[in-house]
Amino acid sequence: QVQLVESGGGVVQPGRSLRLSCAASGFTFSSFAMHWVRQAPGKGLEWVAVISHDGTKTYYADSMKGRLTISRDNSNNTLYLQMNSLTTEDAAVYHCAKAPSASGNYQSFDYWGQGTLVTVSS
Amino acid sequence: DIQMTQSPSSLSASVGDRVTISCRASQGINTYLAWFQQKPGKAPKSLIHFSSILQGGVPSRFSGSGSGTDFTLTISSLQPEDFATYYCQQYNSYPYTFGPGTKVDIK
Repeated sequence: QVQLVESGGGVVQPGRSLRLSCAASGFTFSSFAMHWVRQAPGKGLEWVAVISHDGTKTYYADSMKGRLTISRDNSNNTLYLQMNSLTTEDAAVYHCAKAPSASGNYQSFDYWGQGTLVTVSS
Repeated sequence: DIQMTQSPSSLSASVGDRVTISCRASQGINTYLAWFQQKPGKAPKSLIHFSSILQGGVPSRFSGSGSGTDFTLTISSLQPEDFATYYCQQYNSYPYTFGPGTKVDIK
């Protein structure tokens, strides 16, 4: 069955960087686009970024553009999110989510991971 | 960016009730609309995509409708496991955007 397991969250000081990972299994990872979605404590869902199946196309939320890099390693079935210059507003649970298509365009998500918590505090 | 709104923001209902949640997009999104269910401390679960198509394994008491700017999620007979928060999401264009959520709790 499809499994998405995020890691890399933790407590980080404002201005620092963090890289999140999402280990995928149970499907052909290299055939599907992948997303990151975040949820601040007690708040709603916010889409963050998407990467196409082959890594050639990426899109980012305006709120984090310039501070984020989404990438993937298809040989190791792993998705990444590099976050720089973190602020307290970036504190959230970060979920990875699988798209049901290669590009992600005009497609939602079919599977979600449980998420990894990022806390930004001095 | 496309803004998504939902109504109501919360509702109280009883087991067996018919529940309807509305979602509106700030501009037309065809049928590129998904619904998600989230329980406290859990990952969201995909319920419906393309406005009305149930994801695999989703009970038939859930249904979705709408196109353009106005959409509806209906639960025909609320079950105990359905008490949760429901989010709509547009995927017509990036950035994908979610509605603020509708919390369904027990009356």
